Amino acid sequence: QKEVEQNSGPLSVPEGAIASLNCTYSDRVSQSFFWYRQYSGKSPELIMSIYSNGDKEDGRFTAQLNKASQYVSLLIRDSQPSDSATYLCAVNPARGGADGLTFGKGTHLIIQP
Amino acid sequence: DTEVTQTPKHLVMGMTNKKSLKCEQHMGHRAMYWYKQKAKKPPELMFVYSYEKLSINESVPSRFSPECPNSSLLNLHLHALQPEDSALYLCASSQGIELWGAFFGQGTRLTVV
Repeated sequence: QKEVEQNSGPLSVPEGAIASLNCTYSDRVSQSFFWYRQYSGKSPELIMSIYSNGDKEDGRFTAQLNKASQYVSLLIRDSQPSDSATYLCAVNPARGGADGLTFGKGTHLIIQP
Repeated sequence: DTEVTQTPKHLVMGMTNKKSLKCEQHMGHRAMYWYKQKAKKPPELMFVYSYEKLSINESVPSRFSPECPNSSLLNLHLHALQPEDSALYLCASSQGIELWGAFFGQGTRLTVV
């Protein structure tokens, strides 16, 4: 059974600090990984994607992937109160053809002003 | 146009009613998805359409019936639902999920009474 694991939190981080969100996955054949941000009562919004081992940076966000450890992380630099949301890790199970995404339970992030 | 549009935003229906949820995208995406999300849970995949053909049905009860009239439209027909089916129903589309992830509509908040 494919699983994506996240610490549900809440994770509380002071404004201006770095928020670090972690995710592990069980299916070794997974090839692509995504981070979604979801505000309360809203739909998920894609913020980062990563496919290769290493780091990928986009503005204040950095995604990190280690396929050997089956580990994905998201760093948010200079955290702002507007970053307070639930962050969902999603994995493409790579079954071939049309796939859906498998989501972790999400980490609730709170940025304290 | 990078939007996935869902209607209605809110729906209240009785257990004997028949209703439909609608989803539209004009991004030329070849895959469209229905997800169900309960409160404080991650989105759960229900159906996947690829090139207008149903490719994945994640053992969803027959009271949910998907339809893809053309490459831009996706419907979810509802009949004889139960109160436990109350949830946020999310439509998503993708140009190729392994590389691009999926983009979500704003969702339909469904309440079954």
